[in-house]
Amino acid sequence: ELKVEQNPLFLSMQEGKNYTIYCNYSTTSDRLYWYRQDPGKSLESLFVLLSNGAVKQEGRLMASLDTKARLSTLHITAAVHDLSATYFCAVVPTAGGTSYGKLTFGQGTILTVHP
Amino acid sequence: DGGITQSPKYLFRKEGQNVTLSCEQNLNHDAMYWYRQDPGQGLRLIYYSQIVNDFQKGDIAEGYSVSREKKESFPLTVTSAQKNPTAFYLCASRNRGDTEAFFGQGTRLTVV
Repeated sequence: ELKVEQNPLFLSMQEGKNYTIYCNYSTTSDRLYWYRQDPGKSLESLFVLLSNGAVKQEGRLMASLDTKARLSTLHITAAVHDLSATYFCAVVPTAGGTSYGKLTFGQGTILTVHP
Repeated sequence: DGGITQSPKYLFRKEGQNVTLSCEQNLNHDAMYWYRQDPGQGLRLIYYSQIVNDFQKGDIAEGYSVSREKKESFPLTVTSAQKNPTAFYLCASRNRGDTEAFFGQGTRLTVV
């Protein structure tokens, strides 16, 4: 059974500071996603990481993937209040070559950015 | 505009009732999925469908049923057998071979 674990689960940051959210997964995977969720809202896709060593950046967020370590990171640079949200990583497992695109999610990291 | 539409946005169910959540997509996607989200938790897969007239159980299918009679529609019925149905339900779709999955806006179901 694929397990996806994020840490930390709660993150309180000051504006202007940097921090990293970690996502570990337990088995081989086709691809890894990062999503953002605002309270009461649906998921917003941030990044899709498809290969070992993949790095993607959008604004103050940068995501990377190490498939050998089964680890992805979401790095936040110079945080601003607008980044306050819950961030999820999700993994598509590789099972006999057929994953059907099923996503297994981490627990989510609740990020709060303070002035 | 192409997208996924879930309705209703809010739904209240009495004990012992069955309710059906709607999910419609006009993206011509082959695959559709239903996820459940409980407060402070990640999403868990209920059911998924790769093609019309075929669907598979996910990790928490007990107490739920689905149908896939049309490519664009994948309704979820929460039956009275689901003992704790209060949650946020999200529908998603994806085209076969694509990496990206698209999510609807969700339905918040509350048992009263």
